[in-house]
Amino acid sequence: AQSVTQLDSHVSVSEGTPVLLRCNYSSSYSPSLFWYVQHPNKGLQLLLKYTSAATLVKGINGFEAEFKKSETSFHLTKPSAHMSDAAEYFCVVFLHGSSNTGKLIFGQGTTLQVKP
Amino acid sequence: GAVVSQHPSRVICKSGTSVKIECRSLDFQATTMFWYRQFPKKSLMLMATSNEGSKATYEQGVEKDKFLINHASLTLSTLTVTSAHPEDSSFYICSASPGRGVANYGYTFGSGTRLTVV
Repeated sequence: AQSVTQLDSHVSVSEGTPVLLRCNYSSSYSPSLFWYVQHPNKGLQLLLKYTSAATLVKGINGFEAEFKKSETSFHLTKPSAHMSDAAEYFCVVFLHGSSNTGKLIFGQGTTLQVKP
Repeated sequence: GAVVSQHPSRVICKSGTSVKIECRSLDFQATTMFWYRQFPKKSLMLMATSNEGSKATYEQGVEKDKFLINHASLTLSTLTVTSAHPEDSSFYICSASPGRGVANYGYTFGSGTRLTVV
């Protein structure tokens, strides 16, 4: 079965310092992985996605993630946090179904707090 | 880019009444639409998947008679919460994709609907 585990429910960083949000996945074959961001009472915005192309994926707003098969990880990073980065972040795996169907499976979420 | 519009953004209704939430894909045809429910400070729980031309597929534990989903066209899906109760209060989010079961097509999310049942 495919699933994702976000290792930290809450991460706090100071503005200007690096961000690391950790995600491990479980999959019987090469997965499709995503990171989404959600600001309070808002929908979700796609930050980046991995679909078996380059293992280092660059996304919007300076975020990037590296797919590491040996570690079954897909951690999200950003060199320098900005106050506007404070939000909820979800690591997501695409679950293939039968008859050419599929759906997204969400991790538990990580709340990123950015301190001035 | 792909845009999904969800309406209303916020609704308050009385117990026992029904509420309809709309999800529209504005600039693409959505072959597949998904409905999620999100509890406070929790992750998204998939409620059902709707493919154009077929009935919605509900996740285990979701009452299909209570949460009616209609994929009326390639650009519109509706979720109707029937006989709403306070425990149905939640944040509901839709998602749409032009592809069927292929991750590369991408999934665009609506901005969500905050439902409060009083």
